[in-house]
Parts: sequence; C-alpha cells; structure tokens
Amino acid sequence: DIQMTQSPSSLSASVGDRVTITCRASQGISSFLAWYQQKPGKVPKLLIYTASTLQSGVPSRFSGSGSGTDFTLTISSLQPEDVATYYCQKYDRAPWTFGQGTKVEIK
Amino acid sequence: EVQLVETGGGLIQPGGSLRLSCAASGFTVSSNYMNWVRQAPGKGPEWVSVIYSGGETYYVDSVKGRFTISRDNSKNTLYLQMNSLRVEDTAVYYCAKGLVVVAGGSGIFDYWGQGTLVTVSS
Repeated sequence: DIQMTQSPSSLSASVGDRVTITCRASQGISSFLAWYQQKPGKVPKLLIYTASTLQSGVPSRFSGSGSGTDFTLTISSLQPEDVATYYCQKYDRAPWTFGQGTKVEIK
Repeated sequence: EVQLVETGGGLIQPGGSLRLSCAASGFTVSSNYMNWVRQAPGKGPEWVSVIYSGGETYYVDSVKGRFTISRDNSKNTLYLQMNSLRVEDTAVYYCAKGLVVVAGGSGIFDYWGQGTLVTVSS
C-alpha cells in the first residue's frame, strides 16, 4: 500500500506567518490528494481536494499544490483559528490512507 | 442541510459484536457513496469501508471478513456491522459522505458525523 508521510509533525508560528506543510506519497498518485483540518475535539473538515481545489467555504488563505508524489498545503497568513492538526489523504485507489498529521500551534 | 448522526458505540469485550448506525438527512444515502472512517485515540483517521450507490463495497484489509457495511434506503441510514472485535478496533467511528468531483476519483469525505466511540477491552 502507498504510504503518506507529512512533515513537519508539528510547528509553531506567529499570527500572520506563512505556513507550509509537506506531504509525500511513497508512489505517484497524480493529483488524487486531499487535505483536512481537525481542530481539537472536533471532526475533520475537508479543505482541499484534487491537490489544489479549495472546498466551498474554506478561506482563501489556504492553498494546495503538487502532483505525483510531493504535495504542499500553505496557509498564507496564519490566524488563531487555524490552530489544528492537518492531514493529507490520498484517494487514487483504495485503501484511501491519511498521513500522520501536522499539528499547527501559535507561537 | 446535510446531517449525519452515528449511534451504537460502546464498551465491548474482545471477540464481541456491535452494529453502528448513521442516520442521514439533507441528502439521499443511496445516491451517494458512503464511508466509515475511524480514528483511534491520539492517531490520524483511517478509512474503514465504503458502499457505492450501486451497492459495491470495499474494506481496509484489517477489517475484511469481520466488518460489513450496508444501508437501508427506506430509513436513509448507513450501518457498520462489526464482528470479532479486537482491542485495536478501539476508535471513534465516523460516517462520512463521499464527494463526487469532475476530475474523477472517489474517496473524498465532504461531510462527517460527530462520531461514536467504540472501546474494545476486557
């Protein structure tokens, strides 16, 4: 099965900072990549799919890029409400697997 | 408004069985692909099973032969029958609606329920 590896596992940044999270697939998955945000004690929320398509209602400070094996989630200007764990997920074929998560905190 | 409400979780001994239910509103379960996704304490989500509109079902290897996904169209409800439960099945179980996109592929989860906790322990 294809493995999804995120880096870093956690980060601390200041409000207004640009934040970048990387996700690497162990094999190519074209653009079949989604990103989810999970705030503490809450349900995962879909942010981005097809590597770069923003889900309806998601703020434009979130963006995604990449294809093949290397993908990036960027928050252009970190806000206090962005404190959460972010997961990438591949969906090229079953099993649909998630990365281990990146915890984002405010410095 | 799309809503998903899971019920049926609880404490169960290893080897036992549970049936989870997910009552949906705001859309038709049988017209969409529906999923169960679980999340063990302190871990990331893990996709468990899918049922497509045509009735095809798929499972992650770790639950094949033990779990069965199904739906009741008249009740607009999704189910997960879990047999031969193991300690490692302990998790919050979410039902999740699948998103269909023009670019193709399935396996994107656009709506999630609040989850139901399954604890397998002696």
